[in-house]
This record gives sequence, structure tokens and C-alpha cells, in this order.
Amino acid sequence: AQSVAQPEDQVNVAEGNPLTVKCTYSVSGNPYLFWYVQYPNRGLQFLLKYITGDNLVKGSYGFEAEFNKSQTSFHLKKPSALVSDSALYFCAALSPRGWGKLQFGAGTQVVVTP
Amino acid sequence: DTEVTQTPKHLVMGMTNKKSLKCEQHMGHRAMYWYKQKAKKPPELMFVYSYEKLSINESVPSRFSPECPNSSLLNLHLHALQPEDSALYLCASSQGDGYSTDTQYFGPGTRLTVL
Repeated sequence: AQSVAQPEDQVNVAEGNPLTVKCTYSVSGNPYLFWYVQYPNRGLQFLLKYITGDNLVKGSYGFEAEFNKSQTSFHLKKPSALVSDSALYFCAALSPRGWGKLQFGAGTQVVVTP
Repeated sequence: DTEVTQTPKHLVMGMTNKKSLKCEQHMGHRAMYWYKQKAKKPPELMFVYSYEKLSINESVPSRFSPECPNSSLLNLHLHALQPEDSALYLCASSQGDGYSTDTQYFGPGTRLTVL
């Protein structure tokens, strides 16, 4: 069965410090991996995705993610966090045979303090 | 422009009411999706339309009835809902046919409250 795990319910970081949000996956084949961000009472905003190729993927708003096949991980990173990065972050996976059905992680709340 | 619009933003309805949610995209995407999201939880897929035809129904109760009048528009008709149906309803679209691995772009959602 497919699954995506986000082991941390919440990540707290001071503004200006590096931010990492963890994600591991268990998906058959070579999955496509996504990160979305959700601000309060808003829809999900697409940040970035990994299909194939370079293991470091750059996305919107200064975010990047590192794909590690041996560890089946796809951690989201930002070198210097902003207070405005405080939001709910979702990792998601799509199997090439997944019929368009995104498998979401449980979500990680990021809190950036001034 | 990756914009999906949804109306209304908020909806309060009684259990005997009939209402509809509307979703629109003008990106030429061929697949459209309805999701239900409870607070602080990930979205749950409800329906997928591919080329205006229903391709996936995730065993959603019949009190939710989707409709795709054309390639840009997706409706969700609501009837005899229960209080536990209160949630944020998200629409999304993707370029491919719904079976592809294209990025799904989400609208802002409709916050539904069932009294």
C-alpha cells in the first residue's frame, strides 16, 4: 500500500534559521513527489515536484527539496525562514500507475518566530 | 496563470437544503478534482473528472453529486447533508487526463457549514 509519512506534527524555527520539513514515502515504482503549502483558510499552493533527474529540486518562494531514493525521503528545505513561511505543509506522492490519486502525508505545521 | 476559482467562499446550509459549489479554471486543463478537507488534515479525494467524464468516485455518499458541464467548469451539488459533512471543499485541476502525473493546482476552497 502507498503511504507518505511526515514524522513531525510541528516544526518550530526562529526567523533567519534554516527550515527543514521531513517526508518519507512508501510508493511502488518511481513515484512523483510534491510539496504543497496551505495558509489558514486557503487552498493548497504548489511549491515544487520531483519527477526524475537532479535530486535537488528548486521551487517557489526560495524552497527546495532533496530526493533521496535509498532513504525514500523527500525533505523540504529553506536556507533562511521567514515569519510568513508559517503555514501547514503537505508532502504528497503520485504513483505512475496511481490514476492521478495523490497520496498526502498528514501535514506538518511550521511556526517561524521573529 | 495557474488559477482555479471557487464560489462561494463560505456556505451555511441546513440539512434539508439543496446547494451547489462551483469551480472554474481557464488553463485548458483536462482533469478536475473535488477534495474534502477537515481542519488540520490532508485533503481527501472525492471525485475525478477527465475530459468532462467522471473517472473516479471514491465511494462518496450520494448526497454529493458532481457535474462537469464543460471543460472549464465543475460543480458539486449538495443535498440532505449531515453536520459531519462540514469541511473545506477544494477543487483542483491538472493538465493531463486525470490518470497522469501532472501537477494538481488547487482553488481557495469553499468553507461549508451544515447546521
